[in-house]
Amino acid sequence: AQTVTQSQPEMSVQEAETVTLSCTYDTSESDYYLFWYKQPPSRQMILVIRQEAYKQQNATENRFSVNFQKAAKSFSLKISDSQLGDAAMYFCAYRSNTGNQFYFGTGTSLTVIP
Amino acid sequence: KAGVTQTPRYLIKTRGQQVTLSCSPISGHRSVSWYQQTPGQGLQFLFEYFSETQRNKGNFPGRFSGRQFSNSRSEMNVSTLELGDSALYLCASSWGQGGSGANVLTFGAGSRLTVL
Repeated sequence: AQTVTQSQPEMSVQEAETVTLSCTYDTSESDYYLFWYKQPPSRQMILVIRQEAYKQQNATENRFSVNFQKAAKSFSLKISDSQLGDAAMYFCAYRSNTGNQFYFGTGTSLTVIP
Repeated sequence: KAGVTQTPRYLIKTRGQQVTLSCSPISGHRSVSWYQQTPGQGLQFLFEYFSETQRNKGNFPGRFSGRQFSNSRSEMNVSTLELGDSALYLCASSWGQGGSGANVLTFGAGSRLTVL
């Protein structure tokens, strides 16, 4: 089974600064999808960004971007110009190209300091 | 478009009881997945249903079961509750067809179960 590892249980960032959350995964597949989900305190989990493994270009969604290193099996999330509303638990997830099961990391709790 | 709806949002049970949680997916989504979320463990996959059939099952004991109805609504049941079953149970729906980048999970708000 695929495994997803988030080695930073907690991170903090000053408001307006940039922070990078790390994620590594283990798979023998060549085609798959990677995701970052955000879970604010006591609120619903929402999709932040997705990346197709066959695309070399890193995905970007406004202030959120990823650094996808396929050979290294690394998928980090960069949040630019951090805002108070970015404070949340962030989960990295993997999904095979052939199935519908998602594999999640244990999450990184991000604190934004005013 | 209505989101994923989970009921009840909060519930308290005692050891040995059973509980049933309900999930209504986004209209048109045929896949429903269930996850158990506990502090430090992240999201643990329970099972996934597609068109009323269980497609995948996580590593949970048989006390955890689920089903999906013809309208794609899903229920999960936990029998003989244990203290360790206290968790946030998340339901997520998706279009369900693997192989597409558009096939992402949309989560409900969760059902928080406390076992005393």
